[in-house]
Amino acid sequence: GENVEQHPSTLSVQEGDSAVIKCTYSDSASNYFPWYKQELGKGPQLIIDIRSNVGEKKDQRIAVTLNKTAKHFSLHITETQPEDSAVYFCAARTNFGNEKLTFGTGTRLTIIP
Amino acid sequence: NAGVMQNPRHLVRRRGQEARLRCSPMKGHSHVYWYRQLPEEGLKFMVYLQKENIIDESGMPKERFSAEFPKEGPSILRIQQVVRGDSAAYFCASSPNPIRDRGRVGIQYFGAGTRLSVL
Repeated sequence: GENVEQHPSTLSVQEGDSAVIKCTYSDSASNYFPWYKQELGKGPQLIIDIRSNVGEKKDQRIAVTLNKTAKHFSLHITETQPEDSAVYFCAARTNFGNEKLTFGTGTRLTIIP
Repeated sequence: NAGVMQNPRHLVRRRGQEARLRCSPMKGHSHVYWYRQLPEEGLKFMVYLQKENIIDESGMPKERFSAEFPKEGPSILRIQQVVRGDSAAYFCASSPNPIRDRGRVGIQYFGAGTRLSVL
């Protein structure tokens, strides 16, 4: 089955700087890669996703890149703000009759004012 | 994700009791997924259901755990004879009917979760 690894587990950046979180996956058949943000006591919220036929996707301060050959994808947050502090999870999914997501272990991002 | 409703938000049970967790998907969504999250860990897939049908339960423990998504009403995750190791946050997600043609998939929207504590 699919295995997703995520690094780093914790990340602290100064407000206004950029943050990068990286994930690798094992199943070359995976073709959908969402990123979720989870605030304390809340459920995961989808912030951006990318499909395997695209190399990069951007939404305002958030971007995701995908390297299918190397089987890794990354989340980039620019001009970080205090409200970006949360736990971020990457996930991967194959599409062979099963829609389940395999999650990474999460990155706790802290923005230092 | 406010559209996926889970209740209760917090549930306390003593060892040996039963826990019932409910999930109402977003309007128009016919697919439900249950995930479990242990403290400081990622979410682990448990079960994937459509109305009146279990599609994939490969993440469910073989004993004490069951799930259903009836034609009418919410999806239910049931844990019988709870043990302390069942203490976790249980999240439900829903998606519209995924379209498999040309590789399109359904986005999953999560509820706020049920935090189960077993004393």
